Amino acid sequence: KNEVEQSPQNLTAQEGEFITINCSYSVGISALHWLQQHPGGGIVSLFMLSSGKKKHGRLIATINIQEKHSSLHITASHPRDSAVYICAVSYIQGAQKLVFGQGTRLTINP
Amino acid sequence: DTEVTQTPKHLVMGMTNKKSLKCEQHMGHRAMYWYKQKAKKPPELMFVYSYEKLSINESVPSRFSPECPNSSLLNLHLHALQPEDSALYLCASSQDSRQGNEAFFGQGTRLTVV
Repeated sequence: KNEVEQSPQNLTAQEGEFITINCSYSVGISALHWLQQHPGGGIVSLFMLSSGKKKHGRLIATINIQEKHSSLHITASHPRDSAVYICAVSYIQGAQKLVFGQGTRLTINP
Repeated sequence: DTEVTQTPKHLVMGMTNKKSLKCEQHMGHRAMYWYKQKAKKPPELMFVYSYEKLSINESVPSRFSPECPNSSLLNLHLHALQPEDSALYLCASSQDSRQGNEAFFGQGTRLTVV
């Protein structure tokens, strides 16, 4: 069982839909990261959270430390949002390492 | 400048070749990382450098040899690789290696070993 679980693994939606991707982890963390990876490689850091909620444009990330759960929301989704979204955590112990979820492959159709 | 720059973007090498991957950042970050990513899998940590010293080696085979010549540069020297080493190699940096620092990733080098 992966230490960081994401759901769903694949998600296809129509342009304009509200998107939610979930991430659960098993032990105490120092921070949770949401990352975006487009086909062809590079990873972009979207958010780093240790509590509460952050918003950047159409993207919103929330974290519930007690429930060990985080969500990434995309409002008014657009085909250019199509990418793999990866949740990663840095644990309180071994803070140098990021532990990654398996990723959620999002496809937004026009 | 919030970029991590990796070169080359693509590399094809034979199993007897020696090549190097390069990574550069000018954000003043003192922690730098090498990750390996196979298709449709999450990145796997290979090495961590903290203040130009190797602090983590995730039991990586010796055919991969990292080097950190200064605080802005990170190299990965490759020698006698196997076809199964073909992957996307990602470099990342963070302010330092303490808890919860944001990681900045490069675009990766797509390596094919033939």
